[in-house]
Amino acid sequence: GAGVSQSPSNKVTEKGKDVELRCDPISGHTALYWYRQSLGQGLEFLIYFQGNSAPDKSGLPSDRFSAERTGGSVSTLTIQRTQQEDSAVYLCASSASGREETQYFGPGTRLLVL
Amino acid sequence: AQTVTQSQPEMSVQEAETVTLSCTYDTSESDYYLFWYKQPPSRQMILVIRQEAYKQQNATENRFSVNFQKAAKSFSLKISDSQLGDAAMYFCAYRSMLGSQGNLIFGKGTKLSVKP
Repeated sequence: GAGVSQSPSNKVTEKGKDVELRCDPISGHTALYWYRQSLGQGLEFLIYFQGNSAPDKSGLPSDRFSAERTGGSVSTLTIQRTQQEDSAVYLCASSASGREETQYFGPGTRLLVL
Repeated sequence: AQTVTQSQPEMSVQEAETVTLSCTYDTSESDYYLFWYKQPPSRQMILVIRQEAYKQQNATENRFSVNFQKAAKSFSLKISDSQLGDAAMYFCAYRSMLGSQGNLIFGKGTKLSVKP
């Protein structure tokens, strides 16, 4: 079946602009995660959605970052007033349920803030 | 807080040979999961192998096997009969079984090169 998909594949934006990154999880997966991969910080957890529960936002680096998940499926990660340090690859993953399932990753969105 | 350490930023192996990638972790928990993920230049993270901490038997997936030493908090990956397609970044990851902590905690990765 189809895997996790993300769009766009690459995004170039100017400092101060807002960006939206999209993630389509594997159909039927109730858990969805966002991670950020940067040269300096490695792979960092950002946010976790599980079913209809309140999301775990403990990894979001600032209030410029937010995410939502509509209808328990598609998720959008929004970065407001982008900064150069936001340049990174943003990875989305989904799993069949919560803690006990393997996470399957999408191909990521590479964000470059000029 | 849990941490994962991969002490080898880069490794190289000859095609058809065997290579071992190291991973250590720190946790006060007794039940957890450990993973090895592969990330080729395409950026897609691919699950290589998974180990549940309560299982004493080391996980194996074809040419990939782990040496899980729970007391030493060590989780190394052995790749046998290395192939050119094995060249990639390899990440070791930890996942708690407690509470609502569903996220993975990753090491910094090891870049594996395979020489023909």
